[in-house]
Amino acid sequence: DIQMTQSPSTLSASVGDRVTITCRASQSIFGWLAWYQQKPGKAPKLLIYKASSLESGVPSRFSGSGSGTEFTLTISSLQPDDFATYYCQQYSSQNTFGPGTKVDIK
Amino acid sequence: QLQLQESGPGLVKPSETLSLTCTVSGDSVSSGSFYWGWIRQPPGKGLEWIGTIYHSGSTYYNPSLKSRLTISVDTSKNQFSLKLSSVTAADAAVYFCARHSGRNAVWTPFDFWGQGTLVTVSS
Repeated sequence: DIQMTQSPSTLSASVGDRVTITCRASQSIFGWLAWYQQKPGKAPKLLIYKASSLESGVPSRFSGSGSGTEFTLTISSLQPDDFATYYCQQYSSQNTFGPGTKVDIK
Repeated sequence: QLQLQESGPGLVKPSETLSLTCTVSGDSVSSGSFYWGWIRQPPGKGLEWIGTIYHSGSTYYNPSLKSRLTISVDTSKNQFSLKLSSVTAADAAVYFCARHSGRNAVWTPFDFWGQGTLVTVSS
């Protein structure tokens, strides 16, 4: 089974900050990684797929990078709507989600 | 616009079977080339993939749940369903149904999700 980790688990930031979240896989998943945003009481929303491809309708301040076992999600300038929890998901071998990173207000 | 809606009992007794249905509107589970999945999220915790089905009936299960899990599809009702037997408190969660994004590709991200339904396990 492929295990996923994320760091940090919580991130405090201000509007306008550049934010980076890291996701690591226990073995190579090539580029088969997605990122989701989830707000309380809502379903996750797909942001990024194939490590760096932006889902249609997602603002360009979101970007993804990485391959193999290490990946990052970057928000170039944090907006009020971006305070949420972010999950990575590998789909190289079945599906596994990371534990999540909560982005809250500093 | 594709929409998914989960339905089923919100309370299940320990050792009994949890049964949920996902009704799809705005698309057909059988006409497209998409796979359909279930994901759950215990209160305050992360996401766990449960399993996936294709309109042909082919299924893919999380190994940790496989012995208790059955996912089925009813193309006449445009629905797919989840049955999880012998539930315990550890199965209490919000259960989401969702669509895999890739055509003819099971291992792809989930692009459309239902709103989720909370299932409590208690006697």
